[in-house]
Amino acid sequence: ETGVTQTPRHLVMGMTNKKSLKCEQHLGHNAMYWYKQSAKKPLELMFVYNFKEQTENNSVPSRFSPECPNSSHLFLHLHTLQPEDSALYLCASSQGPAGANEKLFFGSGTQLSVL
Amino acid sequence: DQQVKQNSPSLSVQEGRISILNCDYTNSMFDYFLWYKKYPAEGPTFLISISSIKDKNEDGRFTVFLNKSAKHLSLHIVPSQPGDSAVYFCAGMKTSYDKVIFGPGTSLSVIP
Repeated sequence: ETGVTQTPRHLVMGMTNKKSLKCEQHLGHNAMYWYKQSAKKPLELMFVYNFKEQTENNSVPSRFSPECPNSSHLFLHLHTLQPEDSALYLCASSQGPAGANEKLFFGSGTQLSVL
Repeated sequence: DQQVKQNSPSLSVQEGRISILNCDYTNSMFDYFLWYKKYPAEGPTFLISISSIKDKNEDGRFTVFLNKSAKHLSLHIVPSQPGDSAVYFCAGMKTSYDKVIFGPGTSLSVIP
């Protein structure tokens, strides 16, 4: 139990569907992140939220839309995805603000398949 | 352009022996380096870190060495145990900047 919970664990969606990934951290952390891991590629940072404010958008296409309603919850809204978006989507949190040498605590990820 | 490289996709080691996982980086602005371990169906977990002002950090069976002039770091696991079998990610970051840049990972298998 890492204290970071992601749902669903697996998701299959068509290119015209709209779905959302949910992340919840029970650690009292102040920063939350979305990462993408494609097969045999490095983890790619997508979005960073510090104290609920988005501080980083790493050139992510607009078909991915993050939402951080409070410091414990993070969503990733998906619409009109492409098959190449199939990947493992990982949520993470850290105690202090991002960039403060804070180690990341990851959830188990959502394995997304886009058909 | 990969800023953090792990050129060995996989490594097999006998139980009890030393595992050495290597990592090279290109971004000279990195001032902090981290290793994460990932088991299948789980998210990565933090393992050990090192500041760029040090050349070695040790935590139990795990030691990370940093050679700044060569832009190279390595993770040593001694002695290796079957439970160490996992994917190991090297990562670099610049303090006060939001990004942690990960390498592609090395899959370690420790054979009983």
